[in-house]
Amino acid sequence: DIQMTQSPSTLSAFIGDRVTITCRASQSINNWVAWYQQKPGRAPNLLILKASSLQTGVPSRFSGSASGTEFTLTISSLQPDDFATYYCQQYDSYTPTFGQGTQVEVK
Amino acid sequence: QVHLVESGGGVVQPGRSLRLSCAASGFSISTSIMHWVRQAPDKGLEWVTAVSLINGVTLYTDSVMGRFTISSDIPSNTLSLQMNSLRPEDTGLYYCAREGHSSGRAPAFDQWGRGTLVTVSS
Repeated sequence: DIQMTQSPSTLSAFIGDRVTITCRASQSINNWVAWYQQKPGRAPNLLILKASSLQTGVPSRFSGSASGTEFTLTISSLQPDDFATYYCQQYDSYTPTFGQGTQVEVK
Repeated sequence: QVHLVESGGGVVQPGRSLRLSCAASGFSISTSIMHWVRQAPDKGLEWVTAVSLINGVTLYTDSVMGRFTISSDIPSNTLSLQMNSLRPEDTGLYYCAREGHSSGRAPAFDQWGRGTLVTVSS
């Protein structure tokens, strides 16, 4: 299976900070990466597809980018509603696999 | 509005069985590909199984092959997961998810439930 190594596992930030979360794939995945946000007790919410395609209704402060096998989720200006856990997922191989998650906390 | 609501989780001894359900609303599962994804305590998400309600094809991760069975009931718009010969490593939060996008080989999920907790312990 393709491994997705996500970092950091925990991130502390202030409101208004620019936040970056990274996932590195163990092999080429042709930018088939999705990003999800999950809040405690809630269902995961799809944010981004194909590495950079923002889903309808997702605030424009979220963005995704790719460079080879490294994928980045950026929040340009962290808002109170953004404190959550974020997961990357590759959907290139026949078995989808996820990163371990990044918990974004209030600093 | 689309909703997925899982139920049926609980505490069960190793070797026993459990059946999970996922009630869908706001869309018909008959035209969807539906999945179960699980999350062990303090671990990441793991894809478990899928069923295409379009052509009936089912897929399983290796660790549950022969023990778990995914099925659906179209009239009630419900997805099920029959889990037999449960092991401690099957412990986790089980999510029902709808495949909303695909690379042609694997899915991304556009709708998820909140999950139901399965604990396998003696």
